[in-house]
Amino acid sequence: KQEVTQIPAALSVPEGENLVLNCSFTDSAIYNLQWFRQDPGKGLTSLLLIQSSQREQTSGRLNASLDKSSGRSTLYIAASQPGDSATYLCAASNQAGTALIFGKGTTLSVSS
Amino acid sequence: DTAVSQTPKYLVTQMGNDKSIKCEQNLGHDTMYWYKQDSKKFLKIMFSYNNKELIINETVPNRFSPKSPDKAHLNLHINSLELGDSAVYFCASSQGPGSYNSPLHFGNGTRLTVT
Repeated sequence: KQEVTQIPAALSVPEGENLVLNCSFTDSAIYNLQWFRQDPGKGLTSLLLIQSSQREQTSGRLNASLDKSSGRSTLYIAASQPGDSATYLCAASNQAGTALIFGKGTTLSVSS
Repeated sequence: DTAVSQTPKYLVTQMGNDKSIKCEQNLGHDTMYWYKQDSKKFLKIMFSYNNKELIINETVPNRFSPKSPDKAHLNLHINSLELGDSAVYFCASSQGPGSYNSPLHFGNGTRLTVT
């Protein structure tokens, strides 16, 4: 059964820093891995989707990598801004490919 | 022009009552989901429907009954509400199931409080 773990649970950085959020998953037979952002009191916004055949995806200052063999993904945020403050969730598809299984998230705080 | 919309946004009710949460998506997606986010912010899959057909039912008490009248709607009815049902319930949709490699689109959630 797929399980997803995110480290650290919380992270505080000054504006301008580059940072890495980590995600690990137990079942490497995934179809894809997705990163989301959740702002307080809001729903989730999709940031990046990496298909199982891909190694990384980029969108603006965000870069996500996928290493299926080790069951790991990282989300790299370049030149962080206060507006990046949110909870970032990683989700891996279950083995049947019918749903996403979520980690508990990393809450990021970027101070100006 | 909200893509995935849920109503109501807040729901406060007493133990033992029956309530429903509605969800609609205007993205033309085939698959819809209900997720539950508990007080520790952990998001867990409850149900998934693909083309109005139930494809996931994850160890959810049978007091919870999803209903999909058409591809664009997935409602959640909860009978005999319990204190432990208090959570935020999120509806989501995607072009197909997870294997289709399409991103999930989430609604803004319904915060259910059972007193």
